[in-house]
Amino acid sequence: DGGITQSPKYLFRKEGQNVTLSCEQNLNHDAMYWYRQDPGQGLRLIYYSQIVNDFQKGDIAEGYSVSREKKESFPLTVTSAQKNPTAFYLCASTAQGFYGYTFGSGTRLTVV
Amino acid sequence: QKEVEQNSGPLSVPEGAIASLNCTYSDRGSQSFFWYRQYSGKSPELIMSIYSNGDKEDGRFTAQLNKASQYVSLLIRDSQPSDSATYLCAVTGDSGNTPLVFGKGTRLSVIA
Repeated sequence: DGGITQSPKYLFRKEGQNVTLSCEQNLNHDAMYWYRQDPGQGLRLIYYSQIVNDFQKGDIAEGYSVSREKKESFPLTVTSAQKNPTAFYLCASTAQGFYGYTFGSGTRLTVV
Repeated sequence: QKEVEQNSGPLSVPEGAIASLNCTYSDRGSQSFFWYRQYSGKSPELIMSIYSNGDKEDGRFTAQLNKASQYVSLLIRDSQPSDSATYLCAVTGDSGNTPLVFGKGTRLSVIA
């Protein structure tokens, strides 16, 4: 079945650590997105990519980095520069054009 | 800054009633409009998309769009307890390559 797989489901980060969240899709979608969701804040865009080897910053890119070396994969690294990383992270993808997104099941990141 | 506004709720309706969810958006050039349902702790699920003025019906769901008033709504007929969730309104810009902007969501509670 086609879909988006995010891993891990839960992730714990110690202060000063970088951690990487995985996002893989087999929908043959060109565009991929990372959103962060905090309680009462809705979804906020971190980074997006519309083609391999190219990506753009979203509204809250500081403290995060991404890569897009393959069409299927769009990993997100939460760096130690992100001071408040505890949140629910959602990866999404879509075909080019005016289409809605398909979301992965999310990764819940907690700082310990 | 493009904005999508929703009443946070909670909106409480009795089982079998019609639930009406509303959304306004700031970008007059927006072309595509989506409603997502998100259960607590889960990722958003696309339930309706609408692209032109008027009504679009799918089962118990009806999406309504009025571009002149920059207003989108979602009606849920014969509401069921399983409809209890947060409903997110999402809007694109005037280009298919523009990332979706999400509202903060309206929490719906259907009382049995």
